[in-house]
Amino acid sequence: GAVVSQHPSWVICKSGTSVKIECRSLDFQATTMFWYRQFPKQSLMLMATSNEGSKATYEQGVEKDKFLINHASLTLSTLTVTSAHPEDSSFYICSARGGHTEAFFGQGTRLTVV
Amino acid sequence: GQNIDQPTEMTATEGAIVQINCTYQTSGFNGLFWYQQHAGEAPTFLSYNVLDGLEEKGRFSSFLSRSKGYSYLLLKELQMKDSASYLCASMDSNYQLIWGAGTKLIIKP
Repeated sequence: GAVVSQHPSWVICKSGTSVKIECRSLDFQATTMFWYRQFPKQSLMLMATSNEGSKATYEQGVEKDKFLINHASLTLSTLTVTSAHPEDSSFYICSARGGHTEAFFGQGTRLTVV
Repeated sequence: GQNIDQPTEMTATEGAIVQINCTYQTSGFNGLFWYQQHAGEAPTFLSYNVLDGLEEKGRFSSFLSRSKGYSYLLLKELQMKDSASYLCASMDSNYQLIWGAGTKLIIKP
C-alpha cells in the first residue's frame, strides 16, 4: 500500500507553546488529507479535512484558530496546535488519499502537554 | 443521520474464527472500510467493500449487504497478534469516513 509518514511520533511540550505535526505522502499525491484526534480507548474523531491548495474544512467544535492546518503541496500537510494546554494531550493521526479509495494513515503523533 | 454500530469488545480463542459485525446508516453511501488498530498505533487498512458480497483476503474476509446496512469482518485461524481494535467506517457521498467506536478483540490461548 501507499506510505504516509507522520512526524514527530511523540512530543512533549510546555503549556502555552505551539507544536507542529507534519504528514507526508511518500509515494503518491495526496489530494485530500484528514486530521484525526483519538483519546485513549475512544474512536478516531475527525478534526478537519484539507484539499491541496485550499482552506481546511473543520468539523463542528474544532477551533480553527487553535488547530492550524496547512496543505500547501500534494505531499505535505501540517497541523499546528497553537497555545497548547494539557487538555490538548492526545494521539493525533493524519490520513491521506490520492487516487485510491481508501485512506492511508500516518503513524500518529502522541502529544503530551505539561 | 449517520451512525455506525459495532460491539465494544469480543473474546476469542487462538486458532478459532471470529466475526465482528457492523451496522451503519450513511447518507450517500460510498463503501465500507475495516481497519485494524493495535494499542498506541495508527489504524492500518484491512478491506473495502462497495458491492454486496464477500471479499476474501487470506485469513481475513469482509462482507457487505447494502440493503441491510450491514457488514462483518471474519477472522480465521486466529493468532495472538490479531489482538487489536477493529474499526468499521463507512464512506459518505463527500468521500468522508464515518467511524465506529471500534471493537476490541481479545485473543486467548
